[in-house]
Amino acid sequence: GAVVSQHPSWVICKSGTSVKIECRSLDFQATTMFWYRQFPKQSLMLMATSNEGSKATYEQGVEKDKFLINHASLTLSTLTVTSAHPEDSSFYICSARLWSEAFFGQGTRLTVV
Amino acid sequence: TQLLEQSPQFLSIQEGENLTVYCNSSSVFSSLQWYRQEPGEGPVLLVTVVTGGEVKKLKRLTFQFGDARKDSSLHITAAQPGDTGLYLCAGGGADGLTFGKGTHLIIQP
Repeated sequence: GAVVSQHPSWVICKSGTSVKIECRSLDFQATTMFWYRQFPKQSLMLMATSNEGSKATYEQGVEKDKFLINHASLTLSTLTVTSAHPEDSSFYICSARLWSEAFFGQGTRLTVV
Repeated sequence: TQLLEQSPQFLSIQEGENLTVYCNSSSVFSSLQWYRQEPGEGPVLLVTVVTGGEVKKLKRLTFQFGDARKDSSLHITAAQPGDTGLYLCAGGGADGLTFGKGTHLIIQP
């Protein structure tokens, strides 16, 4: 299957700082990537759809100025959590689709202290 | 909007037992995928079914796509602790992929 790599796997940052998470499709090109947030014991919550060369599409209730998405190439999308606060602590996962199947990154555990 | 309902939401059983997880919708999907997610990791694709009535087996896991391509089931035989995880179904259609809320499965030794 296709490989999606997410980095970092975990990060701890101070409140008020910004954190960037990278999502790369290693062996295929992805014009669209997806960013999810997951709380403990819950399913995936779609945050936004990242489109190469254009603005991301955010789901209702997701602050676009808080969660900046940049999809500058066909293999890389980044999610930047700006001015992070403890309530932003969560597990963030990206995915990219190849035909009808989704391939996920390993996830990033963000802890804001 | 296409919706996928998964049941049960949570299931805890003893090692060696059999179980079935369901994924239902009122919408028709062109394909349906099952994923398993272990704690602290991203979901991993288990199988894709595309034909109504299709059955696929992956060792002790049996996946079935409904005849009308609106529902699917995952049956695990002789469950093992390594089967523990969150199982997600996803339906493919014109709007892209629609995910169910998942079934949290715990297999106790």
